[in-house]
Amino acid sequence: DAGVIQSPRHEVTEMGQEVTLRCKPISGHDYLFWYRQTMMRGLELLIYFNNNVPIDDSGMPEDRFSAKMPNASFSTLKIQPSEPRDSAVYFCASSLGAGGLGGTQYFGPGTRLTVL
Amino acid sequence: GDSVTQMEGPVTLSEEAFLTINCTYTATGYPSLFWYVQYPGEGLQLLLKATKADDKGSNKGFEATYRKETTSFHLEKGSVQVSDSAVYFCALSGNRDDKIIFGKGTRLHILP
Repeated sequence: DAGVIQSPRHEVTEMGQEVTLRCKPISGHDYLFWYRQTMMRGLELLIYFNNNVPIDDSGMPEDRFSAKMPNASFSTLKIQPSEPRDSAVYFCASSLGAGGLGGTQYFGPGTRLTVL
Repeated sequence: GDSVTQMEGPVTLSEEAFLTINCTYTATGYPSLFWYVQYPGEGLQLLLKATKADDKGSNKGFEATYRKETTSFHLEKGSVQVSDSAVYFCALSGNRDDKIIFGKGTRLHILP
């Protein structure tokens, strides 16, 4: 099993540019989560999907952030325009079943974003 | 709301020492409890879990027991190795919840 795949692994961009992060969940999983991790704020849940439908986007910091899941095997997180404070490691995770039922989340390797 | 509190790090131990990382939780009902580990440069991965009271999760020599009476899920290992150096996250998910709530993480350093 390939696990959760994220691309790119590293992204360096300049302030004001659009950034798109990509995620391929594990086949058959019905939940997909996007997280952001920084030293200051730790691990934050940004948004999650169930069966490709966004369920809770209350963690998305502002309108500059958007996420889509057009099908069960692909999701994107877009930042437009990017700002230096968006610099972080962004993780995608997927699970089969809800966490409350013991569903395990499988994390990708992360995308390290640096906005100059 | 539901929350998880785990001991602040970093924790520094010598190889073969006994490890305890404390974790307590606040939740209604009977949540599922998890410990995740993050090795340098990697994503989080499940270390162990327990889904009901008095269950013991175990993996790679680590274990944790779901204690409803003390609302705790402490992580223990009898003899740590240098390769156990990582960040450990305690987490919970309410029994009607989709998402997992993570603690702030505890960084563990094991000295040879």
